[in-house]
Amino acid sequence: QKEVEQNSGPLSVPEGAIASLNCTYSDRVSQSFFWYRQYSGKSPELIMSIYSNGDKEDGRFTAQLNKASQYVSLLIRDSQPSDSATYLCAVNRQGGKLIFGQGTELSVKP
Amino acid sequence: ETGVTQSPTHLIKTRGQQVTLRCSSQSGHNTVSWYQQALGQGPQFIFQYYREEENGRGNFPPRFSGLQFPNYSSELNVNALELDDSALYLCASSTSRGYTEAFFGQGTRLTVV
Repeated sequence: QKEVEQNSGPLSVPEGAIASLNCTYSDRVSQSFFWYRQYSGKSPELIMSIYSNGDKEDGRFTAQLNKASQYVSLLIRDSQPSDSATYLCAVNRQGGKLIFGQGTELSVKP
Repeated sequence: ETGVTQSPTHLIKTRGQQVTLRCSSQSGHNTVSWYQQALGQGPQFIFQYYREEENGRGNFPPRFSGLQFPNYSSELNVNALELDDSALYLCASSTSRGYTEAFFGQGTRLTVV
């Protein structure tokens, strides 16, 4: 079992729709959780961080964390073609080591 | 405030050679971590430096080594390059070695031929 798992996709949504990206993790002691966006050929860009159970909203992005279920998700409202990228879920283990999932490729069709 | 910068952006090396990659951390950040990202995969943790000392290491052989300098910039050295070392090498800086946000540089694309 991988420590952080994501569906590789591709996930295709029409412009204006809600994109839902999911991630599960195996280590219950994980303390902080991040979503990064990575455009093809570029480096990961931090878009959301979440540390406690519940929802965290930032503009069109909402991160959801459920530590009991070891599950974190990212919702993108009003998806735009510019949101087309690979979204990486990362879990911060003790000592600051980030464990990444393999990423979910999102395609937003005009 | 300057972000994380890496050099060079692209590099081609021959198998068996050695390479040094460089990273300048974001202003105010004292922790630097290095990651290797193969095509189609998520980044894999190589090691982290905090205040000039190694603070954790991933599952990479000893030929991967690093340094952090008093200004918190860092180097990643790879000896005896192998074809499988071809990847995007990413440097991330953060304000502490704990659970805080990490910000990546633009990466160095290393190709070993």
